[in-house]
Amino acid sequence: AQSVTQLGSHVSVSEGALVLLRCNYSSSVPPYLFWYVQYPNQGLQLLLKYTTGATLVKGINGFEAEFKKSETSFHLTKPSAHMSDAAEYFCALCRSGNTGKLIFGQGTTLQVKP
Amino acid sequence: EAGVAQSPRYKIIEKRQSVAFWCNPISGHATLYWYQQILGQGPKLLIQFQNNGVVDDSQLPKDRFSAERLKGVDSTLKIQPAKLEDSAVYLCASSFGTGGDGYTFGSGTRLTVV
Repeated sequence: AQSVTQLGSHVSVSEGALVLLRCNYSSSVPPYLFWYVQYPNQGLQLLLKYTTGATLVKGINGFEAEFKKSETSFHLTKPSAHMSDAAEYFCALCRSGNTGKLIFGQGTTLQVKP
Repeated sequence: EAGVAQSPRYKIIEKRQSVAFWCNPISGHATLYWYQQILGQGPKLLIQFQNNGVVDDSQLPKDRFSAERLKGVDSTLKIQPAKLEDSAVYLCASSFGTGGDGYTFGSGTRLTVV
């Protein structure tokens, strides 16, 4: 069975500090991996995705993530946090080439302190 | 391009009542998904349509939930009768293909069952 685990339901950083949100996955076949962001009362917005190829992927708003197969991880980082980054972040996977069902982690709320 | 439209945005009903949610996907998107997002959890797939056919409804509580996508465009999700534990945000998403390339999500319908 496939699963996604996000370590830490709440992460708090100061403005300008490094953002690191952790995601580990379990999948018996090569997965596609995604990070989504959700602002209050809004839908999910795609930040970045890994399908094949380069393991370091860059997304919108300065975020990036690195696919590490040996560690089954796909951590999200941003060098310098901005107040507008405060939101909930979801890591998700689907099997490469499958019907598109996304399996989500439980989410991490990012708080950015001034 | 217009996004995924959902209505209503908010709905409050009493338990045992019925409720329906509507979704209009992005034009040309063949695949449509309904996800349930309970507070503090990641979204969970309820049902996936490919055009007007059901691809996956394995996690849809069929004794009370039903969904249809007539003509392969708009979709309606119904709950009858509602239970307290159905309180959640119901997200609709659509995608052009089925290969897990990421979706476009609507803003969701927040259902409160009292």
